[in-house]
Amino acid sequence: DGGITQSPKYLFRKEGQNVTLSCEQNLNHDAMYWYRQDPGQGLRLIYYSQIVNDFQKGDIAEGYSVSREKKESFPLTVTSAQKNPTAFYLCASIISGRTGELFFGEGSRLTVL
Amino acid sequence: GENVEQHPSTLSVQEGDSAVIKCTYSDSASNYFPWYKQELGKRPQLIIDIRSNVGEKKDQRIAVTLNKTAKHFSLHITETQPEDSAVYFCAASNNAGNMLTFGGGTRLMVKP
Repeated sequence: DGGITQSPKYLFRKEGQNVTLSCEQNLNHDAMYWYRQDPGQGLRLIYYSQIVNDFQKGDIAEGYSVSREKKESFPLTVTSAQKNPTAFYLCASIISGRTGELFFGEGSRLTVL
Repeated sequence: GENVEQHPSTLSVQEGDSAVIKCTYSDSASNYFPWYKQELGKRPQLIIDIRSNVGEKKDQRIAVTLNKTAKHFSLHITETQPEDSAVYFCAASNNAGNMLTFGGGTRLMVKP
């Protein structure tokens, strides 16, 4: 089955710790995205990548970092510099250069204790 | 950049009634307008989309209308059912770079 896999589904972190969320897709999509979802709010873009070894900041990139070493993988690191990291994180992908359906992963819920 | 406003933030209807969710966008270059449905604890999934060269699109009980002049688009759900209860997001983008900007979401509750 083709799709996007995010892990872990739930994650608890102590303040001051970095944590990395995994996102893997086997859809052969070029572009990948990380969104943050807070209760009652929409999806806010953190980072995106159109091709391997290239990525750009979204609207709320501060306190986050990403890498894109492989087409299939786009991990997100939530650093200790992120002031309010407790949220639901969604990874998504699409074929680059086309408008169309954005495919989402199941999400990762991060709670900072 | 693009800004998408979505209203209402919550909507409660009786089963069988219609529901309408409205969005406005700011960038006149936007030409693709999808709607996503997110059930509790699940991933958002595309339910319908419309491109700027048409004014209306229907798929069974759901329809989307687009007014490019006024820069707004709406989702219409007829004969609502309890399984329509979810959060609905509108979004807008142009052809350049696949960038989707999402609205704030509408929590739809359909009462049996």
